[in-house]
Amino acid sequence: EVQLVESGGGVVRPGGSLRLSCAASGFTFDDYGMSWVRQAPGKGLEWISGINWNGGSTVYADSVMGRFTISRDNAKNSLYLQMNSLRAEDTALYYCARGDNADYRWNALDIWGQGTMVTVSS
Amino acid sequence: IVLTQSPGTLSLSPGERATLSCRASQSISSSYLAWYQQKPGQAPRLLIYGASSRATGIPDRFSGSGSGTDFTLTISRLEPEDFAVYYCQQYGSSPRFGPGTKVDIK
Repeated sequence: EVQLVESGGGVVRPGGSLRLSCAASGFTFDDYGMSWVRQAPGKGLEWISGINWNGGSTVYADSVMGRFTISRDNAKNSLYLQMNSLRAEDTALYYCARGDNADYRWNALDIWGQGTMVTVSS
Repeated sequence: IVLTQSPGTLSLSPGERATLSCRASQSISSSYLAWYQQKPGQAPRLLIYGASSRATGIPDRFSGSGSGTDFTLTISRLEPEDFAVYYCQQYGSSPRFGPGTKVDIK
């Protein structure tokens, strides 16, 4: 079964850091680009970052550029999101999603995990 | 590129036709326009990619059309499981989602 499972969410104080992980299974992980998408409580979807198949190319939304870092370990079939300098407005459910090709953008997101919740609060 | 979706909410009955609009602030290559469905408490699901291609396993009552700045998702006959929020997404150089259209039961 094709599956993505996120982990690493939690409650963190403003200015703090958190690292999210996404474990992939059921498909050849290094054939695909991957993305992170978030959804604040009661709000819509916000794409925040993408990475190509080998981690050599990445892209970020303006809202997280310079604070978040996407990476992947193909040997471990895992995607990561390092989040630094967290703000209250980063509070959201964070989804990892598979792109429909190997690129870091220009791909529709055809497989999604169930998300991991990040709450930034003092 | 900013995406605008209309209407914000669409109230319809099962069996009716739903027409959802997505308008872009600049022209989008049709290759890079997708539609997603999200039900409460669930992750989004890809319905349409490339403006008009159905994703794997998506029923043929869902269809996408459009080009340039105007795109449409049509659900030919609403089934009870189709009541949900629908998002369009442009996935070009700076991917972005629209604000969503909620389809609820009239």
